[in-house]
Amino acid sequence: DQQVKQNSPSLSVQEGRISILNCDYTNSMFDYFLWYKKYPAEGPTFLISISSIKDKNEDGRFTVFLNKSAKHLSLHIVPSQPGDSAVYFCAAGGSQGNLIFGKGTKLSVKP
Amino acid sequence: EADIYQTPRYLVIGTGKKITLECSQTMGHDKMYWYQQDPGMELHLIHYSYGVNSTEKGDLSSESTVSRIRTEHFPLTLESARPSHTSQYLCASSQGLTTLNEKLFFGSGTQLSVL
Repeated sequence: DQQVKQNSPSLSVQEGRISILNCDYTNSMFDYFLWYKKYPAEGPTFLISISSIKDKNEDGRFTVFLNKSAKHLSLHIVPSQPGDSAVYFCAAGGSQGNLIFGKGTKLSVKP
Repeated sequence: EADIYQTPRYLVIGTGKKITLECSQTMGHDKMYWYQQDPGMELHLIHYSYGVNSTEKGDLSSESTVSRIRTEHFPLTLESARPSHTSQYLCASSQGLTTLNEKLFFGSGTQLSVL
């Protein structure tokens, strides 16, 4: 039973437009969430995180929104650039255990 | 910046061989992890360690074993490789001893192919 779900395996966006990647979770005990970016044949790199006591965290072109009542978070990238093309993993954690990862969404940003 | 190294980057071996995947970090992190990841799938935790002489099994059952004799080194060993072990293996480390706001730093991974 997946506790962290990324229901869109892929997303294609035009350069300069907004990319929105979604993530749903089932465990209300998660108290922080992270997004990682992964290029092929490389390890994931940390992008941005958010604590469950917040509903928004921004870092440059990247913003993460958290809706606790809906158990949903999203990553917004604006403006999108071709170098953003990668697989994005959502992860959730809490005091009860290790990070749980989603299956990832492959983002393609077209010039 | 994160300094965590994995070798080899790519490995193609025959069935039945014993292999060791190396992972080292220079950040002095106590906690280290091994994940297994296949294309289109989530990262599955197979082993982790809280520090020297600590090893724990992860959420995904694995035939591999790990050791943690030194803080900076966390090798993974497969005694007899099989085609079902073909996957990408990712090593990671983190500073915290608790999971609260834990940020993982990942190595570049080892892509293992067992023929």
